[in-house]
Amino acid sequence: KAGVTQTPRYLIKTRGQQVTLSCSPISGHRSVSWYQQTPGQGLQFLFEYFSETQRNKGNFPGRFSGRQFSNSRSEMNVSTLELGDSALYLCASRETGENTEAFFGQGTRLTVV
Amino acid sequence: AQTVTQSQPEMSVQEAETVTLSCTYDTSESDYYLFWYKQPPSRQMILVIRQEAYKQQNATENRFSVNFQKAAKSFSLKISDSQLGDAAMYFCAYRSLQGAQKLVFGQGTRLTINP
Repeated sequence: KAGVTQTPRYLIKTRGQQVTLSCSPISGHRSVSWYQQTPGQGLQFLFEYFSETQRNKGNFPGRFSGRQFSNSRSEMNVSTLELGDSALYLCASRETGENTEAFFGQGTRLTVV
Repeated sequence: AQTVTQSQPEMSVQEAETVTLSCTYDTSESDYYLFWYKQPPSRQMILVIRQEAYKQQNATENRFSVNFQKAAKSFSLKISDSQLGDAAMYFCAYRSLQGAQKLVFGQGTRLTINP
């Protein structure tokens, strides 16, 4: 099976712009979660989607949003970018059920200038 | 809310030696999962080992094993016969079985392997 695929791998945006990141989960995985990784704050949970519904959301402002499509692919969007949004954004997918592990993609490195 | 603490920002070990990475966590729950993830320079998080809280037996995966002390809320990772490819950031993570099944990560430990 192919792993979790995130696109693009690198992105440079200007303050005030918006950005959309994409995540294709492992085939058969219906749960997709997003995490932000920064040197200062470490790894923080953004949100989780399951069957096209947002199941959980972390403590991030409304500028951060996401969605999931019927094929389980997910996108996250950040509007009105700030310098502090520069981070590695990681996506993880897992199968249904509590006794399952999360598999991560290689992330998208977003730089806001 | 659950928290995970890794008190060792950096560790180093000689190739072929054994190293132990520390992790403590705080929770009021009785059932949960604990994980160790490895993040090499490629940035991809790779699961190293996991432990179900209801299991008393410590998990092992080849050269990797854990020392899970539920009462002390401690979950350390032991790497035996360290190899150059083990060099990476290691993250301890907690996942609840209730509510938001998100991963709560520690701050990470950077492991260097000296040849």
